[in-house]
Amino acid sequence: RKEVEQDPGPFNVPEGATVAFNCTYSNSASQSFFWYRQDCRKEPKLLMSVYSSGNEDGRFTAQLNRASQYISLLIRDSKLSDSATYLCVVNRANTGNQFYFGTGTSLTVIP
Amino acid sequence: EADIYQTPRYLVIGTGKKITLECSQTMGHDKMYWYQQDPGMELHLIHYSYGVNSTEKGDLSSESTVSRIRTEHFPLTLESARPSHTSQYLCASSEGTGYVEYFGPGTRLTVL
Repeated sequence: RKEVEQDPGPFNVPEGATVAFNCTYSNSASQSFFWYRQDCRKEPKLLMSVYSSGNEDGRFTAQLNRASQYISLLIRDSKLSDSATYLCVVNRANTGNQFYFGTGTSLTVIP
Repeated sequence: EADIYQTPRYLVIGTGKKITLECSQTMGHDKMYWYQQDPGMELHLIHYSYGVNSTEKGDLSSESTVSRIRTEHFPLTLESARPSHTSQYLCASSEGTGYVEYFGPGTRLTVL
């Protein structure tokens, strides 16, 4: 079983739609969780950290469910510029600075 | 904009050649990483370093080596390139904040 699993999609949504991605992780001892964005043929860039209480950054909301070992990303009012692959990232337990990356979920926002 | 650089950006080379992929960052970060990513696949950790003279192997390290003689420089060497090494190689760095902060633009390697 992979350490981090994501639905690869693709998710094709119209502009203005709300879309949600989930990601599950296998190690209950993981402590740090993140969402990264990766544009086609580009490097990943940090989108947001995921805190236990949930957190919001503009149109983006991240949630963590430790009991079920999943994290989610909600994007409201989708823009064309949101089209990208969204990577779920989980730290390796007891390492602090080593991470498992999901394969990513592909999002295309359609005009 | 991240101050982390990788050269070359693209490399096509024949089987059996020795190659070194360069990575430099000007942010003074202690922690640096090398990842490998195939299209549509997750990033795999190859090597990492927590500071000068510190290097550790990741998941895919058996066919490559790294060195960390200076804080800003973390080169990756493949002693004998093979077609199975064809991939994108991403260098990254972070500074004690618990997550990978910045990725370089990547080197796309093709081994014929």
